[in-house]
Amino acid sequence: DSGVTQTPKHLITATGQRVTLRCSPRSGDLSVYWYQQSLDQGLQFLIQYYNGEERAKGNILERFSAQQFPDLHSELNLSSLELGDSALYFCASSAGTGALNEQFFGPGTRLTVL
Amino acid sequence: TQLLEQSPQFLSIQEGENLTVYCNSSSVFSSLQWYRQEPGEGPVLLVTVVTGGEVKKLKRLTFQFGDARKDSSLHITAAQPGDTGLYLCAGTDNYGQNFVFGPGTRLSVLP
Repeated sequence: DSGVTQTPKHLITATGQRVTLRCSPRSGDLSVYWYQQSLDQGLQFLIQYYNGEERAKGNILERFSAQQFPDLHSELNLSSLELGDSALYFCASSAGTGALNEQFFGPGTRLTVL
Repeated sequence: TQLLEQSPQFLSIQEGENLTVYCNSSSVFSSLQWYRQEPGEGPVLLVTVVTGGEVKKLKRLTFQFGDARKDSSLHITAAQPGDTGLYLCAGTDNYGQNFVFGPGTRLSVLP
């Protein structure tokens, strides 16, 4: 158990819909990262927040947005869903920011878009 | 865009054999990390290498960072079924902000 929690574990929805994925970091961690893992694209970095502020942005679509709240939990919002958005979405947390801070990954949310 | 390639894509070996998997790029990375991911779970960090030519050992696993910081290798000695999983390498650019993962090597160690 990494100490990072993600809800829901599974999510099934239809094209065009909007969903929200939730992540609670390990106690004391200030950084939260979101990743998307699909069979054809592998693990893709989406976005990082540090203590409530956006820190780094990767391959995140404009239809996707995220935020980190004062209690440090984070939400990833996916809108106008397409079939290709079906994937595993992972949240990770670390104490600080930068490559040398170990990231602890949650168990993931499996999103299926029908 | 920085990209990481991994080889082989799949590897199936018998328990007790040795193996090496590779992570290569045309770009320089400030650091490289190796993760192992098991089905239904998130990746777990194995090691971070930051200095060109660096070698780190973790029990039966030996990690090496290339002199030019563009490639890395993972060598497993006397593989065990518990080593089965997806091995991912990940790199960070010099600003420490762009996290890039390779496609992974899926290792299966048969008893």
